Amino acid sequence: GAGVSQSPSNKVTEKGKDVELRCDPISGHTALYWYRQRLGQGLEFLIYFQGNSAPDKSGLPSDRFSAERTGESVSTLTIQRTQQEDSAVYLCASSLKQGGNEQFFGPGTRLTVL
Amino acid sequence: GQNIDQPTEMTATEGAIVQINCTYQTSGFNGLFWYQQHAGEAPTFLSYNVLDGLEEKGRFSSFLSRSKGYSYLLLKELQMKDSASYLCAVPIDRGSTLGRLYFGRGTQLTVWP
Repeated sequence: GAGVSQSPSNKVTEKGKDVELRCDPISGHTALYWYRQRLGQGLEFLIYFQGNSAPDKSGLPSDRFSAERTGESVSTLTIQRTQQEDSAVYLCASSLKQGGNEQFFGPGTRLTVL
Repeated sequence: GQNIDQPTEMTATEGAIVQINCTYQTSGFNGLFWYQQHAGEAPTFLSYNVLDGLEEKGRFSSFLSRSKGYSYLLLKELQMKDSASYLCAVPIDRGSTLGRLYFGRGTQLTVWP
């Protein structure tokens, strides 16, 4: 597609439920990143994928968070047993390669945990 | 580790010039990014500096001083549409590869008519 797309754009869930967020990167971009942006905070790195290499999961805040990527395409971020502190905008970005200077961001998924 | 400081908010009037400062500490420097983020939208790339000095790109310019751990974004001839959050970011990974970014909290710029 023309840009990075994410779905859903908004998600409201109850505490304790699992949620799945989806990211479609720009076609041909081998690197894909997930960030979280809490209200009034900077973007916080969560995880990145580069080609077929093992993902860097060092930014995931707990074992309730996991992510997968199919080849060099779609990625899903899963949050299990959601907590209220998980409420944030989850942003996905992609770049041509890990060494690319510019990351292209999707519009984000706004997650609200009640 | 990394740390970035930038002002939380700034205001300016249409047609004016504004300078948004960013100071950073990072264990291995691989350049500095500026992104613009309008409310409810995705961040968009503005600039990337890896060498000292000023880089001009239309109404926007970005400056870097590696010895001082300092950068600024200069916006000229301000327009209402420039009202947005401006994010300063540095790569987390050492070495020649860029990738994961560490972001500051952003500076919310409001442009008044």
